[in-house]
Amino acid sequence: QVQLVESGGGVVQPGGSLRLSCAASIFAFSSYAMHWVRQAPGKGLEWVAIISHDGSNKYYADSVKGRFAISRDNSKNTLYLQMNSLRAEDTAVYYCARDPNSFGFVVTCDYWGQGTLVTVSS
Amino acid sequence: QSVLTQPPSVSAAPGQKVTISCSGSSSNIGNNYVAWYQQLPGTAPKLLIYDNNKRPSGIPDRFSGSKSGTSATLGITGLQTGDEADYYCATWDSSLSAGVFGGGTKLTVL
Repeated sequence: QVQLVESGGGVVQPGGSLRLSCAASIFAFSSYAMHWVRQAPGKGLEWVAIISHDGSNKYYADSVKGRFAISRDNSKNTLYLQMNSLRAEDTAVYYCARDPNSFGFVVTCDYWGQGTLVTVSS
Repeated sequence: QSVLTQPPSVSAAPGQKVTISCSGSSSNIGNNYVAWYQQLPGTAPKLLIYDNNKRPSGIPDRFSGSKSGTSATLGITGLQTGDEADYYCATWDSSLSAGVFGGGTKLTVL
Protein backbone atom coordinates (compact mmCIF):
# COMPACT_ATOMS: atom_id res chain seq x y z
CA GLN A 1 0.00 0.00 0.00
CA VAL A 2 1.53 3.31 -1.13
CA GLN A 3 1.83 5.70 1.76
CA LEU A 4 2.46 9.44 1.75
CA VAL A 5 2.71 11.24 5.07
CA GLU A 6 3.02 15.02 5.23
CA SER A 7 4.46 16.88 8.19
CA GLY A 8 5.74 20.33 9.08
CA GLY A 9 2.51 22.30 9.06
CA GLY A 10 1.60 24.75 11.78
CA VAL A 11 0.98 28.39 12.59
CA VAL A 12 3.41 30.96 11.21
CA GLN A 13 3.37 34.75 11.10
CA PRO A 14 3.06 36.64 7.82
CA GLY A 15 6.46 36.95 6.21
CA GLY A 16 7.69 33.82 7.94
CA SER A 17 8.94 30.52 6.58
CA LEU A 18 8.00 26.87 6.90
CA ARG A 19 9.25 23.65 5.36
CA LEU A 20 6.85 20.84 4.66
CA SER A 21 7.97 17.24 4.26
CA CYS A 22 6.27 14.29 2.63
CA ALA A 23 7.60 10.86 3.54
CA ALA A 24 6.90 8.19 0.96
CA SER A 25 6.88 4.46 1.47
CA ILE A 26 6.04 1.18 -0.26
CA PHE A 27 6.95 2.32 -3.75
CA ALA A 28 10.01 3.23 -5.83
CA PHE A 29 9.94 6.92 -4.89
CA SER A 30 12.77 7.86 -7.24
CA SER A 31 10.79 6.70 -10.29
CA TYR A 32 7.89 9.09 -9.89
CA ALA A 33 7.20 12.79 -10.27
CA MET A 34 5.56 14.41 -7.27
CA HIS A 35 3.08 17.27 -6.81
CA TRP A 36 2.06 19.63 -4.04
CA VAL A 37 -1.60 20.68 -4.07
CA ARG A 38 -3.28 22.94 -1.50
CA GLN A 39 -6.82 23.67 -0.39
CA ALA A 40 -7.76 26.81 1.53
CA PRO A 41 -10.47 26.35 4.16
CA GLY A 42 -13.81 25.85 2.45
CA LYS A 43 -12.29 26.38 -1.00
CA GLY A 44 -11.33 24.28 -3.98
CA LEU A 45 -8.09 22.56 -4.89
CA GLU A 46 -5.13 24.64 -6.09
CA TRP A 47 -2.13 23.09 -7.80
CA VAL A 48 1.13 24.37 -6.29
CA ALA A 49 4.15 22.66 -7.81
CA ILE A 50 5.57 19.60 -9.54
CA ILE A 51 9.03 18.03 -9.48
CA SER A 52 10.27 15.35 -11.86
CA HIS A 53 11.47 11.97 -10.63
CA ASP A 54 15.11 13.05 -10.55
CA GLY A 55 14.53 16.64 -9.45
CA SER A 56 15.73 18.12 -12.73
CA ASN A 57 12.40 19.71 -13.69
CA LYS A 58 10.32 21.93 -11.42
CA TYR A 59 7.28 24.08 -12.15
CA TYR A 60 5.23 26.35 -9.91
CA ALA A 61 1.89 28.10 -9.79
CA ASP A 62 2.22 31.84 -10.34
CA SER A 63 0.80 32.44 -6.86
CA VAL A 64 3.86 30.84 -5.21
CA LYS A 65 6.60 31.36 -7.79
CA GLY A 66 9.67 32.97 -6.26
CA ARG A 67 8.49 32.24 -2.70
CA PHE A 68 8.13 28.45 -2.60
CA ALA A 69 10.66 25.81 -3.60
CA ILE A 70 9.95 22.14 -4.24
CA SER A 71 12.73 19.60 -3.78
CA ARG A 72 13.26 15.94 -3.08
CA ASP A 73 15.80 13.61 -1.53
CA ASN A 74 15.45 10.25 -3.26
CA SER A 75 17.87 8.64 -0.80
CA LYS A 76 15.42 9.48 1.98
CA ASN A 77 12.21 8.91 -0.03
CA THR A 78 11.12 12.39 0.96
CA LEU A 79 9.57 15.34 -0.85
CA TYR A 80 9.85 18.90 0.47
CA LEU A 81 8.18 22.26 0.05
CA GLN A 82 10.12 25.24 1.37
CA MET A 83 7.71 28.12 1.85
CA ASN A 84 9.08 31.63 2.36
CA SER A 85 7.50 35.09 2.60
CA LEU A 86 4.26 33.48 3.69
CA ARG A 87 1.02 35.40 3.33
CA ALA A 88 -2.42 35.00 4.86
CA GLU A 89 -3.69 33.67 1.53
CA ASP A 90 -1.24 30.75 1.79
CA THR A 91 -3.34 29.35 4.65
CA ALA A 92 -4.45 25.92 3.47
CA VAL A 93 -4.18 22.19 3.83
CA TYR A 94 -1.17 21.12 1.78
CA TYR A 95 -1.25 17.71 0.12
CA CYS A 96 1.61 15.86 -1.49
CA ALA A 97 0.62 13.53 -4.29
CA ARG A 98 2.34 10.97 -6.49
CA ASP A 99 2.28 11.25 -10.27
CA PRO A 100 2.28 7.82 -11.95
CA ASN A 101 4.77 9.16 -14.53
CA SER A 102 8.43 10.10 -14.14
CA PHE A 103 7.50 13.53 -15.43
CA GLY A 104 4.94 14.97 -17.79
CA PHE A 105 2.83 18.02 -18.39
CA VAL A 106 -0.17 16.50 -16.69
CA VAL A 107 -1.89 16.80 -13.34
CA THR A 108 -2.39 13.11 -12.69
CA CYS A 109 -2.10 12.27 -9.00
CA ASP A 110 -2.82 8.66 -8.18
CA TYR A 111 -1.92 8.66 -4.50
CA TRP A 112 -2.37 11.47 -1.99
CA GLY A 113 -1.25 12.11 1.56
CA GLN A 114 -3.66 13.08 4.30
CA GLY A 115 -2.57 16.72 4.18
CA THR A 116 -0.96 19.10 6.65
CA LEU A 117 -2.50 22.41 7.70
CA VAL A 118 -0.55 25.62 7.33
CA THR A 119 -2.00 28.70 9.01
CA VAL A 120 -0.47 32.10 8.32
CA SER A 121 -1.64 34.52 10.97
CA SER A 122 -0.32 37.10 13.36
CA GLN B 1 -10.99 32.57 -10.57
CA SER B 2 -9.84 29.33 -12.19
CA VAL B 3 -8.92 29.04 -15.87
CA LEU B 4 -11.08 25.90 -15.93
CA THR B 5 -14.80 26.51 -15.50
CA GLN B 6 -17.06 23.98 -13.77
CA PRO B 7 -20.67 24.38 -12.66
CA PRO B 8 -20.77 25.02 -8.90
CA SER B 9 -23.34 22.31 -8.30
CA VAL B 10 -25.30 19.53 -9.95
CA SER B 11 -27.92 17.20 -8.58
CA ALA B 12 -29.78 14.07 -9.58
CA ALA B 13 -31.77 11.23 -8.06
CA PRO B 14 -30.31 7.87 -7.03
CA GLY B 15 -29.92 5.56 -10.00
CA GLN B 16 -29.88 8.42 -12.49
CA LYS B 17 -27.04 9.77 -14.58
CA VAL B 18 -25.26 13.09 -14.22
CA THR B 19 -22.60 14.90 -16.22
CA ILE B 20 -20.17 17.53 -15.00
CA SER B 21 -18.56 19.85 -17.50
CA CYS B 22 -15.15 21.46 -17.46
CA SER B 23 -14.49 24.26 -19.92
CA GLY B 24 -11.06 25.59 -20.77
CA SER B 25 -9.03 26.79 -23.72
CA SER B 26 -6.52 25.67 -26.29
CA SER B 27 -3.65 26.28 -23.86
CA ASN B 28 -5.00 23.79 -21.34
CA ILE B 29 -7.74 21.27 -22.12
CA GLY B 30 -7.38 21.72 -25.86
CA ASN B 31 -3.84 20.37 -25.92
CA ASN B 32 -3.31 18.45 -22.71
CA TYR B 33 -4.71 15.46 -20.89
CA VAL B 34 -7.53 15.95 -18.39
CA ALA B 35 -7.92 14.22 -15.04
CA TRP B 36 -10.92 14.12 -12.73
CA TYR B 37 -10.91 13.86 -8.95
CA GLN B 38 -13.52 13.06 -6.33
CA GLN B 39 -13.23 14.56 -2.86
CA LEU B 40 -15.51 13.22 -0.17
CA PRO B 41 -16.04 15.50 2.83
CA GLY B 42 -13.00 15.69 5.09
CA THR B 43 -10.84 13.43 2.93
CA ALA B 44 -8.04 13.76 0.40
CA PRO B 45 -8.96 13.82 -3.29
CA LYS B 46 -9.14 10.56 -5.21
CA LEU B 47 -8.24 10.06 -8.87
CA LEU B 48 -11.26 8.98 -10.92
CA ILE B 49 -10.18 9.57 -14.53
CA TYR B 50 -6.82 10.29 -16.15
CA ASP B 51 -5.65 10.89 -19.72
CA ASN B 52 -9.15 12.17 -20.56
CA ASN B 53 -10.96 8.85 -20.34
CA LYS B 54 -8.96 6.18 -18.51
CA ARG B 55 -9.98 4.75 -15.16
CA PRO B 56 -7.45 3.71 -12.53
CA SER B 57 -7.72 0.22 -11.17
CA GLY B 58 -10.60 -0.04 -8.72
CA ILE B 59 -12.69 2.78 -10.15
CA PRO B 60 -16.06 1.39 -11.30
CA ASP B 61 -17.15 1.82 -14.90
CA ARG B 62 -20.03 3.99 -13.67
CA PHE B 63 -17.50 6.79 -13.95
CA SER B 64 -16.44 7.91 -17.42
CA GLY B 65 -14.55 10.80 -18.97
CA SER B 66 -14.53 12.42 -22.37
CA LYS B 67 -12.97 15.40 -24.07
CA SER B 68 -13.95 17.42 -27.10
CA GLY B 69 -12.00 20.46 -28.18
CA THR B 70 -11.51 22.71 -25.18
CA SER B 71 -14.08 21.01 -22.94
CA ALA B 72 -14.13 17.84 -20.89
CA THR B 73 -16.97 15.96 -19.27
CA LEU B 74 -17.24 13.57 -16.34
CA GLY B 75 -20.18 11.19 -16.46
CA ILE B 76 -21.54 9.21 -13.54
CA THR B 77 -24.27 6.62 -14.04
CA GLY B 78 -26.27 4.65 -11.50
CA LEU B 79 -25.90 7.42 -8.93
CA GLN B 80 -25.51 6.36 -5.30
CA THR B 81 -25.74 8.44 -2.15
CA GLY B 82 -22.06 7.65 -1.60
CA ASP B 83 -21.24 9.61 -4.75
CA GLU B 84 -22.11 12.86 -2.98
CA ALA B 85 -18.84 14.74 -3.11
CA ASP B 86 -16.94 17.56 -4.74
CA TYR B 87 -15.57 16.81 -8.20
CA TYR B 88 -12.62 18.59 -9.80
CA CYS B 89 -11.15 18.58 -13.28
CA ALA B 90 -7.43 19.23 -13.73
CA THR B 91 -4.98 19.63 -16.56
CA TRP B 92 -1.74 21.32 -17.55
CA ASP B 93 -1.78 24.84 -18.94
CA SER B 94 0.97 25.27 -21.50
CA SER B 95 0.77 29.09 -21.44
CA LEU B 96 1.12 29.25 -17.66
CA SER B 97 3.56 26.31 -17.54
CA ALA B 98 1.59 25.16 -14.54
CA GLY B 99 -1.07 22.74 -13.50
CA VAL B 100 -4.61 24.01 -13.04
CA PHE B 101 -7.75 22.74 -11.31
CA GLY B 102 -11.32 23.65 -12.03
CA GLY B 103 -13.27 25.41 -9.31
CA GLY B 104 -15.03 22.19 -8.33
CA THR B 105 -18.59 20.91 -8.61
CA LYS B 106 -20.65 19.76 -5.65
CA LEU B 107 -22.75 16.73 -6.51
CA THR B 108 -25.94 16.19 -4.54
CA VAL B 109 -27.77 12.89 -4.85
CA LEU B 110 -31.33 13.74 -3.94
